[in-house]
Amino acid sequence: AAGVIQSPRHLIKEKRETATLKCYPIPRHDTVYWYQQGPGQDPQFLISFYEKMQSDKGSIPDRFSAQQFSDYHSELNMSSLELGDSALYFCASTSGTGKESPLHFGNGTRLTVT
Amino acid sequence: GESVGLHLPTLSVQEGDNSIINCAYSNSASDYFIWYKQESGKGPQFIIDIRSNMDKRQGQRVTVLLNKTVKHLSLQIAATQPGDSAVYFCAEVMDSSYKLIFGSGTRLLVRP
Repeated sequence: AAGVIQSPRHLIKEKRETATLKCYPIPRHDTVYWYQQGPGQDPQFLISFYEKMQSDKGSIPDRFSAQQFSDYHSELNMSSLELGDSALYFCASTSGTGKESPLHFGNGTRLTVT
Repeated sequence: GESVGLHLPTLSVQEGDNSIINCAYSNSASDYFIWYKQESGKGPQFIIDIRSNMDKRQGQRVTVLLNKTVKHLSLQIAATQPGDSAVYFCAEVMDSSYKLIFGSGTRLLVRP
C-alpha cells in the first residue's frame, strides 16, 4: 500500500539558508500534519492543513511557512535557518478533519543545519 | 541513520518476556490516546489507541491501560520479540483533530 512520501530524506544546509521540505500524502488523503522532532525529543506539532487550507497551528516559528497544494501535497518552507532547526521533520496524512481515519506518518526528512 | 531518542529512558527485557511501558499525560481534558512505535530512521507507527471512556483495550500482543485518575497510560507487550525493539511514544489528543501531544519516549531493548 502507498505510504506518505517525504523528500528529501536528508538535507544539509548552512545557517541563514532556506530549505523546502515536501510531503506527498497517501492517495485520497486530504489532511496533512507537520511535526518536528529534535534530537532525543518527542515530536512537536507545527501546522496542519485540510483541503488546502490551514486548519491549525502549533509551535511553528515565524521563519517557517507551509502550504497545501491542489494535488494535496504539502511543502514546509524554512528561511533564515538556525542551528536549532536541525531535526527530523515528519509529515502525516489522514482523511477528513476528525479522527475517524487513522493518521499515517512518513519516514521524515532529516535536516542538518551547520 | 542516527537513532531517535539518544537520552531516553530505556527498558531492557528478555525475548519472550512481557514488557510494560508507562506514560504520564498532561491534560485531564484529553479524550483520545495513541501509542506509537518509532524505529530508527522511520516515522511513528500506530500501535493501538484508546478513548477516555475506556480503561483497557487489547490488540494483537498489545494491551493499553488508561488510568484517568492519575493521568497514566501503559502499554503492555506480550511475549516481546526482537522486532519490538524501538522507541515507544504515547500521544494525547484534546480536540477533534490529530494535533497530537507526545509524551517522552521510552526505548525498548529486547535481549535475545
